[in-house]
Amino acid sequence: DVKVTQSSRYLVKRTGEKVFLECVQDMDHENMFWYRQDPGLGLRLIYFSYDVKMKEKGDIPEGYSVSREKKERFSLILESASTNQTSMYLCASRPGWPQNTEAFFGQGTRLTVV
Amino acid sequence: AQRVTQPEKLLSVFKGAPVELKCNYSYSGSPELFWYVQYSRQRLQLLLRHISRESIKGFTADLNKGETSFHLKKPFAQEEDSAMYYCALKKGGSEKLVFGKGMKLTVNP
Repeated sequence: DVKVTQSSRYLVKRTGEKVFLECVQDMDHENMFWYRQDPGLGLRLIYFSYDVKMKEKGDIPEGYSVSREKKERFSLILESASTNQTSMYLCASRPGWPQNTEAFFGQGTRLTVV
Repeated sequence: AQRVTQPEKLLSVFKGAPVELKCNYSYSGSPELFWYVQYSRQRLQLLLRHISRESIKGFTADLNKGETSFHLKKPFAQEEDSAMYYCALKKGGSEKLVFGKGMKLTVNP
């Protein structure tokens, strides 16, 4: 069973804080993703990584950065948290091969910025 | 740019009624298309993928390249089908996986 584990279920942070969201997968997947999930807006891709130290911007990267120093771990960083970053954050991983493979999701981290 | 459109946000039906959840995509090449489902308080999980051409939990989805659509259908909805459904697209040559805005299906008894 593939496991994608996000370090926190709930986080409350203050405006301006630097926030780290951690995600670990145990199936040696090449690809990892960070999304935010908001009602009415669906899942929006923030960043993804297709290999260690490799990253690409998704559709809404502003205000975020990522780090992938090891294959199994993908971190999302909010450099200076703002209230509009209050959201549910989902991490996912997916093998690089073969094609049409399934993405596996973490349980989500609900971040509230006050 | 690859894009997924789910035109309806909500669908409410009675048990036993047919359902169709619409998904349209914009991508000129050969896409990989998926339907994901999120039941209440559970993780997002794969429901089906276009390449499989199989029925999962009674759901099917056909890729129509001419209409750039990948609609999800079930002839007789069940209460346990109530969930959020997301259509997803991955284009060739990239690992980028994008999702639509989702649709909430409610099946009433």
